[in-house]
Amino acid sequence: DTGVSQDPRHKITKRGQNVTFRCDPISEHNRLYWYRQTLGQGPEFLTYFQNEAQLEKSRLLSDRFSAERPKGSFSTLEIQRTEQGDSAMYLCASSIAGGSTDTQYFGPGTRLTVL
Amino acid sequence: GENVEQHPSTLSVQEGDSAVIKCTYSDSASNYFPWYKQELGKRPQLIIDIRSNVGEKKDQRIAVTLNKTAKHFSLHITETQPEDSAVYFCAASSYGGSQGNLIFGKGTKLSVKP
Repeated sequence: DTGVSQDPRHKITKRGQNVTFRCDPISEHNRLYWYRQTLGQGPEFLTYFQNEAQLEKSRLLSDRFSAERPKGSFSTLEIQRTEQGDSAMYLCASSIAGGSTDTQYFGPGTRLTVL
Repeated sequence: GENVEQHPSTLSVQEGDSAVIKCTYSDSASNYFPWYKQELGKRPQLIIDIRSNVGEKKDQRIAVTLNKTAKHFSLHITETQPEDSAVYFCAASSYGGSQGNLIFGKGTKLSVKP
């Protein structure tokens, strides 16, 4: 499968624990995005990278959230001291910057449940 | 910042009928408007997109129209089939610059009854 992949697909954790998710973009894509989707809502932008540089962060991304893309390939999203309100689907997407469009291809998501 | 409104939130049609979903956006700098289809428990999948220098684009049974002056765009699905049943999201962004993130509408749940 040459599409965007995410790991794990499901994560159940207790409030206060730290969790980390991984996203592997399509290999030639230099842009990588993180979104959060709650039930009945559209995806909400969290942050994005071009290569290894984090170019933008949403106000939704509190200090407990941190994202990295150290070598410009895969990315990790860490949530520290999880809260029940963090329960959501975390989606990753990738694209090629500089093309005629910025078509974003999504991964299957990581569903986080905070108990 | 950009805000995208999407209507209706639910839409039920008979198989073979047409379905229309409408979105409005607020930021005149937005110039790229994709539509995604999301089936239950699956990833959003791009079905069609349009750029601001084009007024209409068609791909088989799916078409999108864009009115830049009014800041609205619409998805049209003709000859609907049960497999078209899903949640559809519109989105807007200004590609090519530093703001490539998509701003999504809240979605339309389309049900196609056989």
